[in-house]
Amino acid sequence: ELKVEQNPLFLSMQEGKNYTIYCNYSTTSDRLYWYRQDPGKSLESLFVLLSNGAVKQEGRLMASLDTKARLSTLHITAAVHDLSATYFCAVDGEWSSGGGADGLTFGKGTHLIIQP
Amino acid sequence: KAGVTQTPRYLIKTRGQQVTLSCSPISGHRSVSWYQQTPGQGLQFLFEYFSETQRNKGNFPGRFSGRQFSNSRSEMNVSTLELGDSALYLCASSLDGIWNTEAFFGQGTRLTVV
Repeated sequence: ELKVEQNPLFLSMQEGKNYTIYCNYSTTSDRLYWYRQDPGKSLESLFVLLSNGAVKQEGRLMASLDTKARLSTLHITAAVHDLSATYFCAVDGEWSSGGGADGLTFGKGTHLIIQP
Repeated sequence: KAGVTQTPRYLIKTRGQQVTLSCSPISGHRSVSWYQQTPGQGLQFLFEYFSETQRNKGNFPGRFSGRQFSNSRSEMNVSTLELGDSALYLCASSLDGIWNTEAFFGQGTRLTVV
């Protein structure tokens, strides 16, 4: 069974601090996705990581992928209150005989609160 | 360019009823997937459609079904609703779901079963 584990699941931090969210997965997939979800809202695509060693940055967020370790990280630099949200990592499901991946498998999400 | 559109945004249904949710993907996207989000189980894959065919299916009972039309719009249906079906149902579209798998999500339909 494909598993995606995020940690921590809950993180409260102060503005200006740095922190890292970890995402471990059990599949051999080399694609990994990060999403952001605000309360009561949908999922916003943040990063698509498509190969080993991929690193992408957008503003104060940077994501990386190590497919050999089956690990992705989402690093937050000098956090600001607007980054408060729940962050999910996801991987493609197993490839099916019908074609395509068997849906995305998500981690449980990291609920991030950034205190002013 | 318009995003993924889901209707309705909110629904309240009674146990035993059935419900149909609609999803219009991003123009040009041919793969449409559906997900259920609950506080207890998180985000779970329901099924994926491509070119009017169900290509993949998650581990949900047969009460959950869907279809896709020639314009890539998709509907999902839940029959004989149970209290546990209360959830946020999210639709996502991608170009083809194989080589281009980045999924863009709609705003979701919040279903409450009473």
